[in-house]
Amino acid sequence: EPEVTQTPSHQVTQMGQEVILRCVPISNHLYFYWYRQILGQKVEFLVSFYNNEISEKSEIFDDQFSVERPDGSNFTLKIRSTKLEDSAMYFCASSPDRAYNEQFFGPGTRLTVL
Amino acid sequence: AQSVSQHNHHVILSEAASLELGCNYSYGGTVNLFWYVQYPGQHLQLLLKYFSGDPLVKGIKGFEAEFIKSKFSFNLRKPSVQWSDTAEYFCAVGGYGQNFVFGPGTRLSVLP
Repeated sequence: EPEVTQTPSHQVTQMGQEVILRCVPISNHLYFYWYRQILGQKVEFLVSFYNNEISEKSEIFDDQFSVERPDGSNFTLKIRSTKLEDSAMYFCASSPDRAYNEQFFGPGTRLTVL
Repeated sequence: AQSVSQHNHHVILSEAASLELGCNYSYGGTVNLFWYVQYPGQHLQLLLKYFSGDPLVKGIKGFEAEFIKSKFSFNLRKPSVQWSDTAEYFCAVGGYGQNFVFGPGTRLSVLP
């Protein structure tokens, strides 16, 4: 069964450093998402992406964040200058059809900012 | 704005007990409703979903949920829990073409 994959599973970085989190969505899906889950808190929407552009973003997704689909398979989330409060689990999700709305989640990347 | 609330932060049950986790949502239009489960150290997995039709939906692992439109609720049930059901359970709402809004989650601990 196809699934969303994410790398790395755990990323440790120093405050102020740039990180790139990678995701490979399910191959025939068209909509892509990033969510984050700070430890002990709920899953929060960050951004959705379709047709090579951001379709919606939350207030969390400020100028420090960017997303890209550099090729036909990868979908990346970049944090330019990490802060301590960026430490969280980051989930990528993809969906075949926005109207259909079911999203398939990857295993997540645990980001630890020191 | 959409919002999702879950009634319990932490539920502790013994094996074979029945389970009901409450979920209420606030949304002005037609909604799609989901329950996701997150086992310790694992990623979110879809338990079940409701888009339309029969308001009683059955999911994997013996879970079911009932959509009650008049109460804006989508409660998750299981008649007899197992130790392996220990996990965090998230209710989520998505309107047509809208992004997901997750509830805060309910941690279920099943004692052997």
